[in-house]
Amino acid sequence: DAKTTQPPSMDCAEGRAANLPCNHSTISGNEYVYWYRQIHSQGPQYIIHGLKNNETNEMASLIITEDRKSSTLILPHATLRDTAVYYCIVRAQFGNEKLTFGTGTRLTIIP
Amino acid sequence: GAVVSQHPSRVICKSGTSVKIECRSLDFQATTMFWYRQFPKKSLMLMATSNEGSKATYEQGVEKDKFLINHASLTLSTLTVTSAHPEDSSFYICSARFSGQGYEQYFGPGTRLTVT
Repeated sequence: DAKTTQPPSMDCAEGRAANLPCNHSTISGNEYVYWYRQIHSQGPQYIIHGLKNNETNEMASLIITEDRKSSTLILPHATLRDTAVYYCIVRAQFGNEKLTFGTGTRLTIIP
Repeated sequence: GAVVSQHPSRVICKSGTSVKIECRSLDFQATTMFWYRQFPKKSLMLMATSNEGSKATYEQGVEKDKFLINHASLTLSTLTVTSAHPEDSSFYICSARFSGQGYEQYFGPGTRLTVT
């Protein structure tokens, strides 16, 4: 069962902010929102995660709506190296919960 | 950050032979390791979960006798594809998790297996 819904693909101009949406309307109270990305022929790379507050790190910002039913990953100044498939995953942080990947969003940064 | 390595990065083997893929956590002790498989233009599919010193737990539809997983130490897990067939050709990715902080999962770079 898909816990998240993402657009299959998006384009963004180089240097602009890339905003990647994710719907997770059935998220449980103990589940976090995780974002990973996978550059072609590489393993997934952790980007950021959050519970209910907005989060920011050196790679990106994560904006979670107040009802927690959706979130947006923001890459503030996209570069060509940000071209990748971005996966939004909900998972309880503790215990033996597995990371289950959906189909993600294929983000293409255009020069 | 936590680093996970895989070896080899690419391997070509003949149909009917076995191939072993190693996954190592380089700077942390991985209490749990995961093995994923990814076919072209598809998402990652979890194959199995292994805890150090225990038998692996396989996902539905994954043959445990074909995909042998060993997690003998806190830094090493191996996946052996036995009697490989061309349909086993895929991108195999391991992931390691430690309980130190938040149970985060870190991924290896993947191994491209081609069975001829």
